[in-house]
Amino acid sequence: DAKTTQPNSMESNEEEPVHLPCNHSTISGTDYIHWYRQLPSQGPEYVIHGLTSNVNNRMASLAIAEDRKSSTLILHRATLRDAAVYYCILTDAGGGAQKLVFGQGTRLTINP
Amino acid sequence: DAGVTQSPTHLIKTRGQQVTLRCSPISGHKSVSWYQQVLGQGPQFIFQYYEKEERGRGNFPDRFSARQFPNYSSELNVNALLLGDSALYLCASNAWLNYGYTFGSGTRLTVV
Repeated sequence: DAKTTQPNSMESNEEEPVHLPCNHSTISGTDYIHWYRQLPSQGPEYVIHGLTSNVNNRMASLAIAEDRKSSTLILHRATLRDAAVYYCILTDAGGGAQKLVFGQGTRLTINP
Repeated sequence: DAGVTQSPTHLIKTRGQQVTLRCSPISGHKSVSWYQQVLGQGPQFIFQYYEKEERGRGNFPDRFSARQFPNYSSELNVNALLLGDSALYLCASNAWLNYGYTFGSGTRLTVV
């Protein structure tokens, strides 16, 4: 399974942008980059995913490095409800099981 | 639209017993996956089913089994329960091929 590396924790202030980094130096050409977040006592929530190009949706933006060995999840204006554990995950589109391999993730704290 | 629904929400079982957990995916989603989340850790992949066929299995003993029905709902069975099986069991569905997964809120299983 392709591995990702994320900081254990990050802290930011409400209404400020947050940039959550993820390194995936062993990514293969068919791996998609997924981001999920998990609030306490809830199941993980899909945030965004992409393959090569930067992606935007109503929740966040995903910036993917040109060599695809790293990516950054961008929360444009953090709110207290964005406090969660954020997981960066690679999935293989090459067939077979498309399992999500969760690491330790980044625990994001938002200060009021 | 209803999300992924899981039942029951909480369950207490005795060591050695058997348990069946149920999951209804989002309408139109043909892929269902099961994950186990032990307190303080990220979810771990157990099974993936697509069109009623097993597409993948994680590193879990044969005491764990699952199936998917013609309506795409799914059951996870665990036999001969151990204390270490106490966890949050999560079900996730998606429309296949690197679409985002939608997770249910999970079933909290406690083995005593």
